[in-house]
Amino acid sequence: GNSVTQMEGPVTLSEEAFLTINCTYTATGYPSLFWYVQYPGEGLQLLLKATKADDKGSNKGFEATYRKETTSFHLEKGSVQVSDSAVYFCALVNFGNEKLTFGTGTRLTIIP
Amino acid sequence: DVKVTQSSRYLVKRTGEKVFLECVQDMDHENMFWYRQDPGLGLRLIYFSYDVKMKEKGDIPEGYSVSREKKERFSLILESASTNQTSMYLCASSPTAGWENSPLHFGNGTRLTVT
Repeated sequence: GNSVTQMEGPVTLSEEAFLTINCTYTATGYPSLFWYVQYPGEGLQLLLKATKADDKGSNKGFEATYRKETTSFHLEKGSVQVSDSAVYFCALVNFGNEKLTFGTGTRLTIIP
Repeated sequence: DVKVTQSSRYLVKRTGEKVFLECVQDMDHENMFWYRQDPGLGLRLIYFSYDVKMKEKGDIPEGYSVSREKKERFSLILESASTNQTSMYLCASSPTAGWENSPLHFGNGTRLTVT
């Protein structure tokens, strides 16, 4: 079956630091890959996506590249802000099966 | 924008009570989902529905049931609440067409405490 493994948190960084949150997956076929973000007190929101190998998803300064050879979809941001403090979830879905498989989430805290 | 509305942000119930969690979406999505979110476990799928009056078990359906009488409304029912059902419950919806580009839209969650 499908599975998603994220780096364990919590992650604490200073403002303007470089961020990487690792995500690797196991899936049959060619899944679509997503990063969701959950700000305090809110539900999850789609942050970015990639639907095929070598695609790069990007949004709000965050980027992630679909690497089929390493089955990875690492989230990166060059300079984090306090407002990026949230929980980040990596997820995948296979074509024809609308159920997403989520990682366990990584809590990110940015300190001024 | 898609809006998924969960009726309560916080609920406190007693062990053994029957609990209803309501979710409504306003974008005519075919698919609706109930997840629970627990620290260290991420999101786990309880039940989902692809159409009115249709339901499918997710990964952890025990102790729960669902109802979908109308397309826009998906209810989660705890038949007899237990303390291990204390959790954050998230409802989500998605379209059948184009879902791979916009897979899930979430509500803000209901934090349920069972005492």
